[in-house]
Amino acid sequence: DTAVSQTPKYLVTQMGNDKSIKCEQNLGHDTMYWYKQDSKKFLKIMFSYNNKELIINETVPNRFSPKSPDKAHLNLHINSLELGDSAVYFCASRASGGSEQYFGPGTRLTVT
Amino acid sequence: QQQVKQSPQSLIVQKGGISIINCAYENTAFDYFPWYQQFPGKGPALLIAIRPDVSEKKEGRFTISFNKSAKQFSLHIMDSQPGDSATYFCAASGGQGAQKLVFGQGTRLTINP
Repeated sequence: DTAVSQTPKYLVTQMGNDKSIKCEQNLGHDTMYWYKQDSKKFLKIMFSYNNKELIINETVPNRFSPKSPDKAHLNLHINSLELGDSAVYFCASRASGGSEQYFGPGTRLTVT
Repeated sequence: QQQVKQSPQSLIVQKGGISIINCAYENTAFDYFPWYQQFPGKGPALLIAIRPDVSEKKEGRFTISFNKSAKQFSLHIMDSQPGDSATYFCAASGGQGAQKLVFGQGTRLTINP
C-alpha cells in the first residue's frame, strides 16, 4: 500500500545505453514530479505533469523524456546515458489545490 | 541561482539538546515553506510546513519559526533524539501553477547519545 512507488530501486548501466524509471502513485493526486538528487544531496526539480500534461521542464537535456500514460503514472526515459547522469531520481506527487508533495523511495542510477 | 540558502551544512547535537537549522529565501512570491527529513536510502518525507501568515508552527518536538520581513525561517527540534539523525531540507514554493519546490542545500544532523 505504498503511496508513491518507483522501479527499479537501483539501476547500473553503461554509458550510451537507454534506460527507463517508472513511478506510480495511489494517492489520487493530479500532479507528479521528477526530481534529481546529486552526489552532494542537492535536490532539483526536472519535470512536472498535471493530468498527463507537461507543465514544468527545467532546462533538462533532451535525452530525458518523461511520459505520463495516466495521472497515476509518470515514467522517465533517458537516452544515451552519460556519467553525469549518475544520481538518485525521485518521483513525487501532489493533489490539486494542495501544496504538500509526497516523495517516492528513489531510484539510484549509476552510469559506468 | 540558489533561491533558498540553508545552514549549517552539518550539525552535531547532544541527546536532549535543541537542534536549529536556518533557511533564507529570495523570492517574495514563495508562500509555502516545508521541511523534509531524509534518512539514508530513503526518499524525503514531509515533516512540517508553514505559510507566511503565521510566525510559528509547532508539531510535537518540531517547530518552524518564520520571519517574513527578514525572509528567513528555521526548524527547531526540541529534546533531540538519536532517531532524529538524518538530513533535513528546507524548501519553498509559491504562486499559482505547478508549485515546484526549490530546496535548500540540506543539513546533515547527528544526535549523539
